[in-house]
Amino acid sequence: QDQLLESGGGVVQPGRSLRLSCGASGFTFSSYGMNWVRQAPGKGLEWVAMIWYDGTNEGYVDSVKDRFTISRDNSKNTLFLQMNSLRVEDTAVYYCVRDLGLGTHFDLWGQGTLVTVSA
Amino acid sequence: DIQMIQSPSSLSASVGDRVTITCRASQTITTYVNWYHQKSGKAPKLLIYAALSLQSGVPSRFSGSGFGTDFTLTISNLQPEDFGTFFCQQSHSAPFTFGQGTMLEIK
Repeated sequence: QDQLLESGGGVVQPGRSLRLSCGASGFTFSSYGMNWVRQAPGKGLEWVAMIWYDGTNEGYVDSVKDRFTISRDNSKNTLFLQMNSLRVEDTAVYYCVRDLGLGTHFDLWGQGTLVTVSA
Repeated sequence: DIQMIQSPSSLSASVGDRVTITCRASQTITTYVNWYHQKSGKAPKLLIYAALSLQSGVPSRFSGSGFGTDFTLTISNLQPEDFGTFFCQQSHSAPFTFGQGTMLEIK
């Protein structure tokens, strides 16, 4: 069964850093594009970042550019999100999400990990 | 960025009803629209992709239509488990924006 499992969330002060991880199982991780999508408490969904199946291309929403970095280790079936200079408005549940490539849909979601940025 | 405007923001319907949710894109996106269903505290689940294709395992009472800028999700014969929030999303170009959501309450 295809699964994604996020970890690394928690409470952090503004300006600090946090690294999220997402372990994949049940499918050939290296064949899929991967994304992070977040949802602030009681709010809608916001796409955050994407990385191609082979890690050669990345994309970010403007609000996290130059602060967040998406990466992957295909040998360990793991996706990462390095979040630096965190802001209160980054508080959200962060979902690890699979896609088939640019212009396709998000067909597999993890259960999410909560990041709370608070003084 | 492409904006996705969803309507209505909420609705209430009875079991057996037919429900329609619409999404309008701020520019033409051909059929690059997907629909998701989210229940409280859970991750979203893909229902419809490429405007009208039913995701594997999703009941056939869900259907999608539209092209260009205007899209529709229809739920026929509404079931109790269909409550929750529905989101449209464009996959035409980054950033891959979502609609603001439609909260469906079962009467």
